[in-house]
This record gives sequence, structure tokens and C-alpha cells, in this order.
Amino acid sequence: EAGVAQSPRYKIIEKRQSVAFWCNPISGHATLYWYQQILGQGPKLLIQFQNNGVVDDSQLPKDRFSAERLKGVDSTLKIQPAKLEDSAVYLCASSPEHTFGSGTRLTVV
Amino acid sequence: AQTVTQSQPEMSVQEAETVTLSCTYDTSESDYYLFWYKQPPSRQMILVIRQEAYKQQNATENRFSVNFQKAAKSFSLKISDSQLGDAAMYFCAYSWKMAGANSKLTFGKGITLSVRP
Repeated sequence: EAGVAQSPRYKIIEKRQSVAFWCNPISGHATLYWYQQILGQGPKLLIQFQNNGVVDDSQLPKDRFSAERLKGVDSTLKIQPAKLEDSAVYLCASSPEHTFGSGTRLTVV
Repeated sequence: AQTVTQSQPEMSVQEAETVTLSCTYDTSESDYYLFWYKQPPSRQMILVIRQEAYKQQNATENRFSVNFQKAAKSFSLKISDSQLGDAAMYFCAYSWKMAGANSKLTFGKGITLSVRP
């Protein structure tokens, strides 16, 4: 069984630029999560999808972050414009088993 | 709101020895899951062990076992016969057991475990 796929692995951008991350969950998994993990901290949920609907986006900074899962399969997380404090690892996971991808390390300079 | 606290930022253990990682949590729910995840430098979160709150028996997975004290809201991880490959960040996490749906994970800050050869 293929795992959760994420790309890119690394991204370096300047502040005020935009960036997008992609996630393809395990086949058949209806629930998809995006977590933000700042260095030295545990992951924090940004948004949770059930199929193509949003279950929880209470911690998503909606003035700059957006996410979509149009066909209920893969998902894209976008940041526009990026700030220095957005530097973090962005982890995607899918359920029912809450399996994680390898994450994208974003550095904003 | 649920919270997970890991108060030890770092621990070190000698290879082949036993180490215990501590975790406390706070919730008003009665049915939930607790987890320990391992995160090596590759960044991928790997599930180590899972405990269901309604099960009194402590979960065990090979060299990994937990001490689940529901009344005290404590959930510690014991690693026996530590190996060099056990060196990583370890995160304690909580998930509410929702009927018919999947719930998010709430994580602690993590602990860095080093293993001395």
C-alpha cells in the first residue's frame, strides 16, 4: 500500500512570495489533515477535510493560508504572502489510521 | 480544550537500558485515544503505540509499553532494551473518539531521546 505522498520536500522562498504544497493521501482515505510543525514544537492542525468538505479550519490563518481538496482525493495548501514566522514543516496525514507523509520543510527568508 | 504536556525536553539512555518518557494530558471527554509517535530526522511521524481510554490493560508493542493512569491523566512510554535506532523525537498525542468520524491529533511539545552506545 502506497503511503501519503507530499511534495516538494524542501522549499526556500523570500517573504511576501507565495508557495504551494501538495499532498496525495492513501487511496480510499476520506479524511485528510494539514499540520504545521514549527521547530521545537509538536504539530498543530491547520485544516481537516472529510472528502472535499472542511471539518475544522479554526487554526488556519485565513488571511494568508488557503487549502482545497476539490475532488476529495489530493489536496493543496497555499500561503500567500509568506511571512518569516511561516517557516516550519508542513505535514499531511490521512485517516482512518492517521498516517503521515514525510512533510515539506519551508524556509522563509 | 484538550492539552498535552511533555515537560522533559531531552532524555538520554545507554544502549540496552530502559527509559521512560512522561506525558500528561487534560480533557473533559471520557472516551479517547492516546498515542506515542516517533519522529526521526526524516521528519515522518511514525506511530509507536496507541492506547484506548476505555481499555484498562496497558498497550504493548514489542519493546515499547505504556503506563496509562486514567484518573491521573498520565500516559508514559517505556522503551526496553534501547537501541541506537530509537534515537529520535517522541511526541505524545491525544485524539477524541468521535462516533462515525475521525478526529484530529493534539500533540505535546515532544522530547528528544538520545541513545549512548
